Amino acid sequence: GENVEQHPSTLSVQEGDSAVIKCTYSDSASNYFPWYKQELGKRPQLIIDIRSNVGEKKDQRIAVTLNKTAKHFSLHITETQPEDSAVYFCAADSNYQLIWGAGTKLIIKP
Amino acid sequence: EAGVTQSPTHLIKTRGQQATLRCSPISGHTSVYWYQQALGLGLQFLLWYDEGEERNRGNFPPRFSGRQFPNYSSELNVNALELEDSALYLCASSFVQSNTEAFFGQGTRLTVV
Repeated sequence: GENVEQHPSTLSVQEGDSAVIKCTYSDSASNYFPWYKQELGKRPQLIIDIRSNVGEKKDQRIAVTLNKTAKHFSLHITETQPEDSAVYFCAADSNYQLIWGAGTKLIIKP
Repeated sequence: EAGVTQSPTHLIKTRGQQATLRCSPISGHTSVYWYQQALGLGLQFLLWYDEGEERNRGNFPPRFSGRQFPNYSSELNVNALELEDSALYLCASSFVQSNTEAFFGQGTRLTVV
């Protein structure tokens, strides 16, 4: 079946530094790549998404890049803040479903 | 507009019993997805319903089943509960096209004792 791999599983960064989370996908037909953030005890919520007709998308401190040739996409968070601490999930669409990465626990150190 | 709602919020069952979890999607969404999330880990895909039909199921035993009603709400049934079924069960709804945002409910915390 289709697969999405996400790395790292845990990422610890100093407050103010940048964080990068990477995902690779297997379905070459995938066209939609969302990123979700799940804070402790809360539901996952969409923070940014990208479609295959663009290579990069930014929203304030968050950016996502997509390389369709290599079948990988990445989430970049700059100037990290304590409220960025959460689990982040990437996903790729395949046959009308989202295939999810295993998640990255982002820890922001004060 | 109301978001995705799930009930109950918490559920405690004894091993061997059956559990029924419910999900109401956002108005206009026809697809409902169920996920199991154990110990704050990854989202394990359980079931996908659209227009009343089961479209796909994940790698779970047949004692995990469900259905979708004409109003697009959905039930997840877990029979013969085992201790390892203890987890947060999340449902999400979306339009049938996969390139749109999926909205999650707050989840049902199932504890099997």
